[in-house]
Amino acid sequence: KQEVTQIPAALSVPEGENLVLNCSFTDSAIYNLQWFRQDPGKGLTSLLLIQSSQREQTSGRLNASLDKSSGRSTLYIAASQPGDSATYLCAGVNTNAGKSTFGDGTTLTVKP
Amino acid sequence: DAGVTQSPTHLIKTRGQHVTLRCSPISGHKSVSWYQQVLGQGPQFIFQYYEKEERGRGNFPDRFSARQFPNYSSELNVNALLLGDSALYLCASSRPGHPPYEQYFGPGTRLTVT
Repeated sequence: KQEVTQIPAALSVPEGENLVLNCSFTDSAIYNLQWFRQDPGKGLTSLLLIQSSQREQTSGRLNASLDKSSGRSTLYIAASQPGDSATYLCAGVNTNAGKSTFGDGTTLTVKP
Repeated sequence: DAGVTQSPTHLIKTRGQHVTLRCSPISGHKSVSWYQQVLGQGPQFIFQYYEKEERGRGNFPDRFSARQFPNYSSELNVNALLLGDSALYLCASSRPGHPPYEQYFGPGTRLTVT
């Protein structure tokens, strides 16, 4: 059974800092790892998806890495901005593409 | 191209009642999955439907049921509502057999049980 853990549960940083969010999973047989952003009371916005054959993906100020052998993924946010304040969720996706196992998220606050 | 849509946006029900939530996937996506997200936690998998058949079920009681229609839209039904069913219900669509198997989520339905 896949279990996903995200550390830390909450993080507060001043604007402009670079930061790393961590995600660990127990089953290395995942097909891909997806990072999402969730604003309060809203749905999920996909940020980055890393396929099992890849090691990292980049989009703007975001960079996500995947190490299947150690069961870890990280989301790096460069030059954080107050607009980055949200909850960030990681999810391991199994091979039939229909079931994702989520962590409980990291709630990020970026202070001006 | 329209994303995943869900209706209604918000819903308030009383304990013991029944509720039906609806989801329309992205055009061309034949798989729909349902998730329950309780406040402060990550989404929990409830069901996956693909080609109108149930392909996966999470650890939820039989009060939860779903179906998928010929146009690939889906309904989630919950009977005998409990206070603990209050949550954000999310629908996701995807294309099995087409890497990278990305899931696209709708805005969710906020269910409050009083």
